[in-house]
Amino acid sequence: QSALTQPPSASGSPGQSVTISCTGTSSDVGAYNYVSWYQQNPGEAPKLMIYEVTKRPSGVPDRFSGSKSGNTASLTVSGLQAEDEADYYCSSYAGASVVFGGGTKLTVL
Amino acid sequence: EVQLVESGGGLVQPGGSLRLSCAASGFTFSSYWMYWVRQTPGKGLVWVSRIKYDGTITHYADSVKGRFTISRDNAENTLYLQMNSLRDEDTAVYFCTRDGRGLGFDIWGQGTMVTVSS
Repeated sequence: QSALTQPPSASGSPGQSVTISCTGTSSDVGAYNYVSWYQQNPGEAPKLMIYEVTKRPSGVPDRFSGSKSGNTASLTVSGLQAEDEADYYCSSYAGASVVFGGGTKLTVL
Repeated sequence: EVQLVESGGGLVQPGGSLRLSCAASGFTFSSYWMYWVRQTPGKGLVWVSRIKYDGTITHYADSVKGRFTISRDNAENTLYLQMNSLRDEDTAVYFCTRDGRGLGFDIWGQGTMVTVSS
């Protein structure tokens, strides 16, 4: 039950695109298409942004997209906006458990 | 309104016990797997436990196995987490959350703070 690996920080200017990686193993990210991404602002609960690798819940802007290759999943935020500045966490199903990434702080410059 | 509301957090001494509750409303609670996830202040999210919609299957993180027990009362639309033999490292905000679909946690409570300290 080791945490997934995310970069601690990422940044981009308004309008740019930024991609956050999430690296696991062949027992979690690589084994299942159950990767999800969450946005969390300080003092708030996480918000689901992507589930099943690529799917967006209703209400999430299509600027947010997800993908996966092998043991690494990615979240891409296109057309960065100031409101996108937050912490982002990935998670993956891992059989009888769920594992989260350590989180990435996204800064909009 | 679909919501989850946690309660039961507080200050407890090492070795002590606490029971968290999570009241669900606005959806058919008995149809969903439910989870507990915790977050140490300033740190990341960590999965703690999960329970099947009918309560027949439960899983735990290695760090809490044998000390924590997840349960649910579908008649009362409530999820529980019984925490025994608490340690300093269990200090965290505890969130309950719903597996909406595809292991996407689409509804979260506001969290309840548990502090283990002497």
